[in-house]
Amino acid sequence: GQNIDQPTEMTATEGAIVQINCTYQTSGFNGLFWYQQHAGEAPTFLSYNVLDGLEEKGRFSSFLSRSKGYSYLLLKELQMKDSASYLCAVMDSNYQLIWGAGTKLIIKP
Amino acid sequence: GAVVSQHPSWVICKSGTSVKIECRSLDFQATTMFWYRQFPKQSLMLMATSNEGSKATYEQGVEKDKFLINHASLTLSTLTVTSAHPEDSSFYICSARAERESYNEQFFGPGTRLTVL
Repeated sequence: GQNIDQPTEMTATEGAIVQINCTYQTSGFNGLFWYQQHAGEAPTFLSYNVLDGLEEKGRFSSFLSRSKGYSYLLLKELQMKDSASYLCAVMDSNYQLIWGAGTKLIIKP
Repeated sequence: GAVVSQHPSWVICKSGTSVKIECRSLDFQATTMFWYRQFPKQSLMLMATSNEGSKATYEQGVEKDKFLINHASLTLSTLTVTSAHPEDSSFYICSARAERESYNEQFFGPGTRLTVL
């Protein structure tokens, strides 16, 4: 079966750095996406990785290791507005997105 | 670019009535649209994949006669919840697939919150 695992909840302090991990087992691989979802809103796109390595975009970076079926989202200089759920999703061989359950990130002052 | 709209953004209805939700890609053509449902504190659950001009493909456990999907044009897909019941109350989100240079990206609508009394 297809499976995406990520921690249910994480807590971090404003101004700090947090890393959210995601491991996956899917039928084929056409890229891994990270989305941010605030409560009551639809997901918004953060990043896409299809090749191994680190993709940096401002305060957010995403890393992929296809051989390990592993990715992480790194958030730097955390702000209160970063409190949200972060969803890891893998596009399988049929170009369908397989979703993780999401990681709720709580930022404390 | 790549904006997806949904209408209505929220709806409250009586049990037994039908509710139609529209999903539109405003500035691009989407041959494929997806309908998701999300219950509180849970992840997105794909309900069906909608292809323009053909019948939708439903995920296992989703009743096709209850959740009617029509993808009549390259910019519009509709989801009709027929004979809605309180257990159908949920956050319904559509997304439209757009081809990028090297990958396919899904753009999400803002969601429709359905409450069935």
